[in-house]
Amino acid sequence: AQSVTQLGSHVSVSEGALVLLRCNYSSSVPPYLFWYVQYPNQGLQLLLKYTTGATLVKGINGFEAEFKKSETSFHLTKPSAHMSDAAEYFCAVTSGNTPLVFGKGTRLSVIA
Amino acid sequence: NAGVTQTPKFQVLKTGQSMTLQCAQDMNHEYMSWYRQDPGMGLRLIHYSVGAGITDQGEVPNGYNVSRSTTEDFPLRLLSAAPSQTSVYFCASSSRVANYGYTFGSGTRLTVV
Repeated sequence: AQSVTQLGSHVSVSEGALVLLRCNYSSSVPPYLFWYVQYPNQGLQLLLKYTTGATLVKGINGFEAEFKKSETSFHLTKPSAHMSDAAEYFCAVTSGNTPLVFGKGTRLSVIA
Repeated sequence: NAGVTQTPKFQVLKTGQSMTLQCAQDMNHEYMSWYRQDPGMGLRLIHYSVGAGITDQGEVPNGYNVSRSTTEDFPLRLLSAAPSQTSVYFCASSSRVANYGYTFGSGTRLTVV
């Protein structure tokens, strides 16, 4: 069975500071990995995904993530936080023909 | 291209009532799933389908039924609503062609009193 662990249910950063949201996964087969963002009272929007190939993946709004197989990690980063980045972020994994399995989410707060 | 459409957006039920949450997608996706979202719990899988006529249970299936008679539609039925089913429900769809990236509906906020 696949699983996702997101370290830190709440992360707070200053505007302009580095954003780092951690995600570790468990999968017995090559994974497809995703980061989704959810703004208050809205649905989930895909930020970026890793399928195969290049391990550094760039997404929308300046976010990127690096797939590290040896560490079973897929951490999300952004060099400079903006107030508009405040939201909840979810990491998720699938093997392809299995449902998407989510972590419990990390709420990002950005302090002016 | 509407993507994934969920109806209704809001619903209040009395304990014991039944209802169906509708989900439709127009992207010809073979995979569809229902999730519930509760504070601090992330999104938990209720039921999923890998194609028309094929459904399976997820992590929290009790109290819910699904069917997939067409590729486009994947309704979720609450058989006898309970306060524990108060939640936000999301439907999502995906395909191999889309590299399994799921598209989500806007959600249904359900309150059971």
